[in-house]
Amino acid sequence: GAGVSQSPRYKVTKRGQDVALRCDPISGHVSLYWYRQALGQGPEFLTYFNYEAQQDKSGLPNDRFSAERPEGSISTLTIQRTEQRDSAMYRCASSSGTGVTEAFFGQGTRLTVV
Amino acid sequence: GNSVTQMEGPVTLSEEAFLTINCTYTATGYPSLFWYVQYPGEGLQLLLKATKADDKGSNKGFEATYRKETTSFHLEKGSVQVSDSAVYFCALLSGAGSYQLTFGKGTKLSVIP
Repeated sequence: GAGVSQSPRYKVTKRGQDVALRCDPISGHVSLYWYRQALGQGPEFLTYFNYEAQQDKSGLPNDRFSAERPEGSISTLTIQRTEQRDSAMYRCASSSGTGVTEAFFGQGTRLTVV
Repeated sequence: GNSVTQMEGPVTLSEEAFLTINCTYTATGYPSLFWYVQYPGEGLQLLLKATKADDKGSNKGFEATYRKETTSFHLEKGSVQVSDSAVYFCALLSGAGSYQLTFGKGTKLSVIP
C-alpha cells in the first residue's frame, strides 16, 4: 500500500478481553516496529521485527503482550486479558532496511480498556 | 539510559511569529537526533534529522542544530503558519545499528490567524 496501515483505528474493549491490533507495512519493507504511546507521553518502543524474525521484544511490558509477523509482512500485536493501564495509542512503523531513520509510521490504533 | 526532554506545551503563537521548541538529551555514545511531527488525524512523520555534532537539519522552513556541547537540538522556525499546528516530538537514536527511538513527551503547537 501507499503507507503503513493500522487497524482498527479505534478499539474499545472490556477489561479482561483479548485484543489483536493489526499493522500492514509498506510493501517491501523488511523492518517493522511497534511503539506504545500513553496520553501526554512520547512513544515507547515495544518490539522490532526483521522480516519474520522478532529481533527484540525487550519493550513488551509483560507476558500478556505478544507480537508476530509470520510471513514477514503483516504484523499482529496481541494483548491478552486487557487491563485499564493498557489504554494507549499503539503505533506501528516500517522501514526498507534496518535504518530506522527512514521509518514510516501508521496512524495508530487508539485502545481504550473500560 | 537514554532520555529526551522537551519543553512542555501547549504553545500558542500568532501566524508569522518565531517558533522555538527546546529539546535536550542524555545518551551514551554519539546519537542521531530527530524531530517528528504529528498533524491532526495523521501518523508521525519525520520532519528533520541530524546525525553528528554541528549538523543542521532543515525541512519546510524548520531548522535544528545538533549541539553536542549543550546536548541540545532545539527546533526553530522564523515564521509559523496555521498549517504548522501539530504535535512535535524530539527523538534520538543511540549509536550505529540501533533501532530503538527514544522520544520526548511532545509539544503541541497551535498557530492562530
